[in-house]
Amino acid sequence: NAGVTQTPKFQVLKTGQSMTLQCAQDMNHNSMYWYRQDPGMGLRLIYYSASEGTTDKGEVPNGYNVSRLNKREFSLRLESAAPSQTSVYFCASSERQTSYNSPLHFGNGTRLTVT
Amino acid sequence: LAKTTQPISMDSYEGQEVNITCSHNNIATNDYITWYQQFPSQGPRFIIQGYKTKVTNEVASLFIPADRKSSTLSLPRVSLSDTAVYYCLVGDMNSGNTPLVFGKGTRLSVIA
Repeated sequence: NAGVTQTPKFQVLKTGQSMTLQCAQDMNHNSMYWYRQDPGMGLRLIYYSASEGTTDKGEVPNGYNVSRLNKREFSLRLESAAPSQTSVYFCASSERQTSYNSPLHFGNGTRLTVT
Repeated sequence: LAKTTQPISMDSYEGQEVNITCSHNNIATNDYITWYQQFPSQGPRFIIQGYKTKVTNEVASLFIPADRKSSTLSLPRVSLSDTAVYYCLVGDMNSGNTPLVFGKGTRLSVIA
């Protein structure tokens, strides 16, 4: 039982390049989330998907797009990477959208550097 | 959602009990409190959750006073491996529309 799996673990991009961060969960959870974490900062929500077929913006959605491919997978795309998007990206899932008695389960992150 | 305030950092010696207090003065009737732990180079991990009074599990205890304007995470007899960032979050148990918001957390350093 792998939980939440993120790929790749590390990535270096040049400004203007595009890439997709992949996330998959095997816990049959309905809700999935993308956060970013910058040094000395807490986690900031980029986008989330309450259930298959729906996506919503979080605190910092600019420069990103998401796709809830199916119940298991939720991808994050950077169309034109910028140095300000250098960060660690975490994917998470929960059984239900409200996390009362439905805690978030996180992957181990993707470390992205944009030069 | 109620805003939370917690100390930026704390130090402790191994074997001591550590109490991290979180202030949430504007907590609403339907709000609950959740704590997460994050080790370096890992995603956060759920520790404990509660609504009122005291909750205990194999990892920690959570104390919530009657007015619920604060909560205290208690880690008994910490070890070096408890060095991590601890996040206090407040969420509405009846709302499915607002994901939890993480602040900067409390960085706990356990010293030998």
